[in-house]
Amino acid sequence: DQQVKQNSPSLSVQEGRISILNCDYTNSMFDYFLWYKKYPAEGPTFLISISSIKDKNEDGRFTVFLNKSAKHLSLHIVPSQPGDSAVYFCAARSNTGFQKLVFGTGTRLLVSP
Amino acid sequence: GAGVSQSPRYKVAKRGQDVALRCDPISGHVSLFWYQQALGQGPEFLTYFQNEAQLDKSGLPSDRFFAERPEGSVSTLKIQRTQQEDSAVYLCASSSRGQGTGELFFGEGSRLTVL
Repeated sequence: DQQVKQNSPSLSVQEGRISILNCDYTNSMFDYFLWYKKYPAEGPTFLISISSIKDKNEDGRFTVFLNKSAKHLSLHIVPSQPGDSAVYFCAARSNTGFQKLVFGTGTRLLVSP
Repeated sequence: GAGVSQSPRYKVAKRGQDVALRCDPISGHVSLFWYQQALGQGPEFLTYFQNEAQLDKSGLPSDRFFAERPEGSVSTLKIQRTQQEDSAVYLCASSSRGQGTGELFFGEGSRLTVL
């Protein structure tokens, strides 16, 4: 049972435009959500997060939106840059016990010049 | 080094061989996780340590998988009698805070290929 879903395996955008990556979850116990970025042959690196008490968090070019009623979150990157080309993983954790992360399957973003 | 270090980066094993994968977390980090990432998938939780205590091993796929962190720093993931389905990237992550909270820092992973 996939508790965190990223239904788009890939996304292509042009440099300067907005990239929107989507993520859905099923577990209502999740209360903290994160986005990780992964380059080939490297480990995932933390990008941005959001607590379930908020509906938006912004950090520079990156904004994460959370819609709790729809169990949906999205990552907006604007403007997109070629260096943003990577695989983006959505992850979630609950406040029950220790906080292991549950990851989605990832979306490969390609930003072309 | 400043980051999470994993070794070996690449390991090829014949089916039935035992392998050991090492993780050296960021110094002083309390929490340590092992994840398995199969091709085209996201990382999946294997096990969690808080200091030397293994608090959760519910993600280990079989009793062929064993992890330890005897002194609360370096951790080893051992896979006995490897099978082809064990082929994956094994990621280690650490956090400075207990209960797995705080930002997770991942290593580059150990890619295991079982022939």
